[in-house]
Amino acid sequence: DIVMTQSPLSLPVTPGEPASISCRSSQSLLHSNGFNYLNWYLQKPGQSPQLLIYLASTRASGVPDRFSGSGSGTDFTLKISRVEAEDVGVYYCIQVLQTPFTFGPGTTVDIK
Amino acid sequence: QVQLQESGPGLVTPSQTLSLTCTVSGGSISSSYYYWSWIRQPAGKGLEWIGRIYPNGSTDYNPSLKSRVSISIDTSTNHFSLRLSSLTAADTAVYYCARCSNSWGYFEFRGQGTLVTVSS
Repeated sequence: DIVMTQSPLSLPVTPGEPASISCRSSQSLLHSNGFNYLNWYLQKPGQSPQLLIYLASTRASGVPDRFSGSGSGTDFTLKISRVEAEDVGVYYCIQVLQTPFTFGPGTTVDIK
Repeated sequence: QVQLQESGPGLVTPSQTLSLTCTVSGGSISSSYYYWSWIRQPAGKGLEWIGRIYPNGSTDYNPSLKSRVSISIDTSTNHFSLRLSSLTAADTAVYYCARCSNSWGYFEFRGQGTLVTVSS
């Protein structure tokens, strides 16, 4: 199985400031078609996870442009350019290159 | 707008079999653009992918559960189902069903999930 790790696991943030979360995979997520099969989700308190980024860098429909994803191979980053209060929750990365699909442990983002 | 609704018993006895159904509305479960997955989340913990099914009935399961899990699909009634046998307290979790893009590989959690508690 591909093992996913995230850092930090806890991230206190200040509204208006940038934030960054790292996700690493134990194997490359780069497919022969040139796409990296890495997605990012945000699970707000009491809600189902919502898709933020797919294929490492494509924002999902309706996701604010303050969210961006980057990276390739085994190293990926989710950046929030200016954190807003509504961005609190747990952020998960997941690899969907091969089954079993595996999630990272999650990064809890809260307001300082 | 496609919606998914998980349904099933909220409480199950240890060693018994869990049966959950995901009803799809607003779209066809037979669409070739998607496959369908189950994911679970124990309280206060992370997410675990359980398995997936394609409209033609082809399945993949997480090896950690493979001997106990079965996913089926009924295209005539637009729903798919999860069966998990030999339950223990470790199977207590919120169970989500999700629609998954064939092309882009992302899940869409379009339901609220259903809490299953395994207890005597």
